[in-house]
Order: sequence, then structure tokens, then C-alpha cells
Amino acid sequence: DADVTQTPRNRITKTGKRIMLECSQTKGHDRMYWYRQDPGLGLRLIYYSFDVKDINKGEISDGYSVSRQAQAKFSLSLESAIPNQTALYFCATSDRGTRGDNEQFFGPGTRLTVL
Amino acid sequence: TQLLEQSPQFLSIQEGENLTVYCNSSSVFSSLQWYRQEPGEGPVLLVTVVTGGEVKKLKRLTFQFGDARKDSSLHITAAQPGDTGLYLCAGARGTASKLTFGTGTRLQVTL
Repeated sequence: DADVTQTPRNRITKTGKRIMLECSQTKGHDRMYWYRQDPGLGLRLIYYSFDVKDINKGEISDGYSVSRQAQAKFSLSLESAIPNQTALYFCATSDRGTRGDNEQFFGPGTRLTVL
Repeated sequence: TQLLEQSPQFLSIQEGENLTVYCNSSSVFSSLQWYRQEPGEGPVLLVTVVTGGEVKKLKRLTFQFGDARKDSSLHITAAQPGDTGLYLCAGARGTASKLTFGTGTRLQVTL
């Protein structure tokens, strides 16, 4: 079984709809991240969480919100989806460690299309 | 603002050729990681370099961290079709556990 799972894998929605993307992990990691990927832009950080009570904005958090329901679950919401939020979304986890470059483990991604 | 620029953006080569991918920044990073991503999957870590000037080898892949810790390169010797994928560099600063990803290099190796 995959260590980091994302649901759904694909979603097509309409402008203005509320969408939730879910991420679960069995790695026992404290730290979880949400990224979006666009061609030519690499991965950009949306939100991250270092434990259940910790939520931090990344570089592109506008239009998104997150919830860390448990150590193993981190969900991303688009309150009112717009077409430029069409992208590939990845969840990732990492161990706590003492250095900032701990390996990040990624889920398989969710392809979101907003019409 | 994209802090890590990769070049080239796309690279299509034949099996057996050598290639180098560059990752450049005006900022200093405490360490630099390289990930490879295959279609339909998330990125997977290849290597982490932490010391200025450090060179690490992973079979046919050679990674180097610049002396000033602002840039890195990935050299592949005798590329194979299995090397096809998107290569991403990612920089870390201190103990923040946040990575800044590069713009990506998409490599295609054909027979």
C-alpha cells in the first residue's frame, strides 16, 4: 500500500464550486505539505503543517485553506474554485529531524480542472 | 518570485548521450536536493548535497553543489530511456523544513 495517498486522483469542477482534496499518510511523519504544479513553474508551496495544531501559509495560499484533522490527515480546500486553479496538486510529508532538508515523500497527485 | 531557475527546460536526447542540467539561484541555500518525477507519480528524492563544492555520484548520475551554495548541476552519463522524466532541484534554508523547488527540466531519452 502507498505511504501517502491522495483522493480524488482526478476532478473536474465548475467555477465557483467548493472543492476538497484529501491526503492521508501512514509514514508517521509530523510534517505535511500541499503543493501545486504548473508546467514550467515546478512545485509551489500552498500550505504546510508541522503538527496537528500548526498551520502555515506558503508562497501561494490565496484562494486556498487547509485543515489538519489528525497527524495522518491534511486536507486542502478551494472555497470557490476558479479556472486558474487548474493544476496538479501534490501532498507531501517529511520527518521532523534536526535539519531543514529532510526528504519529502509525495503522494501520486490530484489533477484538478476548473471549467 | 521563482528563486531557483533550471536549464534547459526541455531536453530530448538519444540513448548513450551525456547531458547536464543546471539549477541556479541568487540566494544561498543550506542544502540542495534533486528529485525525479515520472508521469502520474509524485517526485522521488535522488540525492541531497549539503557542503559547498560537494560532489555525489549515484550510478551514472553525478550531482554537484556550487562552492557558494547558490547553484547545482546534475550530469548524466550514457543516458538510458529509463532516465526519462522531470528533474526538479529543491533548496532548503536552515532548519525550516521548507523547500523551494526549481522550475524543472523535462528529459526525454529515446532509443
